[in-house]
Amino acid sequence: DAGVTQSPTHLIKTRGQQVTLRCSPISGHKSVSWYQQVLGQGPQFIFQYYEKEERGRGNFPDRFSARQFPNYSSELNVNALLLGDSALYLCASSLGPSGAYEQYFGPGTRLTVT
Amino acid sequence: KNEVEQSPQNLTAQEGEFITINCSYSVGISALHWLQQHPGGGIVSLFMLSSGKKKHGRLIATINIQEKHSSLHITASHPRDSAVYICATKSGSRLTFGEGTQLTVNP
Repeated sequence: DAGVTQSPTHLIKTRGQQVTLRCSPISGHKSVSWYQQVLGQGPQFIFQYYEKEERGRGNFPDRFSARQFPNYSSELNVNALLLGDSALYLCASSLGPSGAYEQYFGPGTRLTVT
Repeated sequence: KNEVEQSPQNLTAQEGEFITINCSYSVGISALHWLQQHPGGGIVSLFMLSSGKKKHGRLIATINIQEKHSSLHITASHPRDSAVYICATKSGSRLTFGEGTQLTVNP
């Protein structure tokens, strides 16, 4: 069975540009969460989506947005990129949104903003 | 101050040694995860636990809910165990991560 997949693997953007990252969850998983991991730090929660609705949002500016599609895949959008947005963006899927369900992580998308 | 604190930040061991990584948290949680992250970024979930103790191969994870503390133990450590080990707590819809412990096991 395929695990969580993310695309692209690597991405280089310029300050001020916009970026879209994609995540496909494990088949049967209805919840997708997004995390940002800056080099040398632990991941930080950005969003959780379940059944196409936002279930939680971390302390990130409105430049960050996301959505979940009917097939449960998800996109993370970041507008007006800043140098500080350079990070590894991780997607995780789970059967449901609560703490009872284990999260499975994708390989991440490494975004570099120059 | 991070709600999840790990210690040590860095750990170097010789092959075969018994290793312990500690995690303390400050708020009530529904579950605690131990994750392994290799260079390149991929994260693998090792354990999810809400009470007691779990064992998988050479790895053991324990949690004390009253003391808000968890430990990850690695028995008979091996160079392939070298990675960053991250503790993450689950509360509501989000995971809160520790900063990670960089483990290096030398042959």
